[in-house]
Amino acid sequence: DAGVIQSPRHEVTEMGQEVTLRCKPISGHNSLFWYRQTMMRGLELLIYFNNNVPIDDSGMPEDRFSAKMPNASFSTLKIQPSEPRDSAVYFCASSLRKQGTGELFFGEGSRLTVL
Amino acid sequence: AQSVAQPEDQVNVAEGNPLTVKCTYSVSGNPYLFWYVQYPNRGLQFLLKYITGDNLVKGSYGFEAEFNKSQTSFHLKKPSALVSDSALYFCAVRDLSNDYKLSFGAGTTVTVRA
Repeated sequence: DAGVIQSPRHEVTEMGQEVTLRCKPISGHNSLFWYRQTMMRGLELLIYFNNNVPIDDSGMPEDRFSAKMPNASFSTLKIQPSEPRDSAVYFCASSLRKQGTGELFFGEGSRLTVL
Repeated sequence: AQSVAQPEDQVNVAEGNPLTVKCTYSVSGNPYLFWYVQYPNRGLQFLLKYITGDNLVKGSYGFEAEFNKSQTSFHLKKPSALVSDSALYFCAVRDLSNDYKLSFGAGTTVTVRA
């Protein structure tokens, strides 16, 4: 199995530009998560999808952030417009929702730098 | 609300010595507990989990963890550390009232010196 695949691995952009991060979950997994990791705040859950439906987006920082999951094999996280404080590593993770017992499988992350 | 505390930011041990990374948790019901490891510039990798049953859980790379309900702890252990175990370790907890949300600790950086 290829695992969770994220792209791009690195993104450098200027303030105000649109950023789109992509994720392909593990085939057969029905839950997908977007996390953000920073030194100051650690790992933060941004949004959770179950069966392609957003269930919990309470962690999305503000309206500049949006996420979609048009089908079971693809999700995007978009930031528009981007700001320097959005610089972080963004992780996508997938799992089988098994009444809380399923572990998460993480991608390698997308490191975003906003200048 | 569920939460996890990792009281040590850093743990330093010599290769061949035992390694312990501490974790305590707080949940309203029965906990589901997880340990993950993150190597530099990589994603988090699952090590082991406690769901129910035997309090001693064995996982990947020779790691194990002991669930202690009375002390609300789930410490990660390895009898003989390797230099390659140097990484960032995260403890995480989930409870049945919220069966998808994992709450992660702040992480503990482990350095194993040769």
